[in-house]
Amino acid sequence: QITLKESGPTLVKPTQTLTLTCLFSGFSLTSSGVGVGWIRQPPGKALEWLAFIYYNDDKRYSPSLRSRLTITKDTSKNQVVLTMTNMDPVDTGTYYCVHPKRRFPALDDWGQGTLVGVSS
Amino acid sequence: QSALTQPASVSGSPGQSITISCTGTSSDVGAYNYVSWYQQHPGKAPKLMIYEVSNRPSGVSNRFSGSKSGNTASLTISGLQAEDEADYYCSSYTSSSSLVFGGGTKMTVL
Repeated sequence: QITLKESGPTLVKPTQTLTLTCLFSGFSLTSSGVGVGWIRQPPGKALEWLAFIYYNDDKRYSPSLRSRLTITKDTSKNQVVLTMTNMDPVDTGTYYCVHPKRRFPALDDWGQGTLVGVSS
Repeated sequence: QSALTQPASVSGSPGQSITISCTGTSSDVGAYNYVSWYQQHPGKAPKLMIYEVSNRPSGVSNRFSGSKSGNTASLTISGLQAEDEADYYCSSYTSSSSLVFGGGTKMTVL
């Protein structure tokens, strides 16, 4: 059974850096073709893709957020970490960790999401 | 990267069929057969319903089907049931090796 769980701060201040961790189980991020990504959703709004990292450390970023995002993996801990710099109130929302069973971009598995607020 | 265009809302009566459109460009929907559809109930994480335009993951009802013509993809739900009431999002792979979502469609069962 595949599970993904997001963790991180519930509130950050504007201009701060957000660090989110996805702890996963049920698959290995060392296996060929495997990857993990992040999606976010502002309250009452649409989904937005953020980043994706493959087993071979190949990384993909949203073109509009590329300069603010960094995605890394720690295969020994079964973790993927997303950092987003210069947080703004518009970045408030639920952040989901995702995993495709077949291949990106079909996102079969989702974490429960973690709500992050940005406010001074 | 602009979001894919979906109708804000659609509705139908139980037993009827509805179709949700998802319009992109020749750089995303029109260029690749990597269109997916997600169902999201309030307060829940999205669920993959269709991948690669028309494929259903194991466990998804065959009442859900997908198709594509040119730059527009479509999700059809037949035999509408109360539990189908949810938000639906399309997504597509893009020529910049990224992923773009639609604005979402609120589907109401009358």
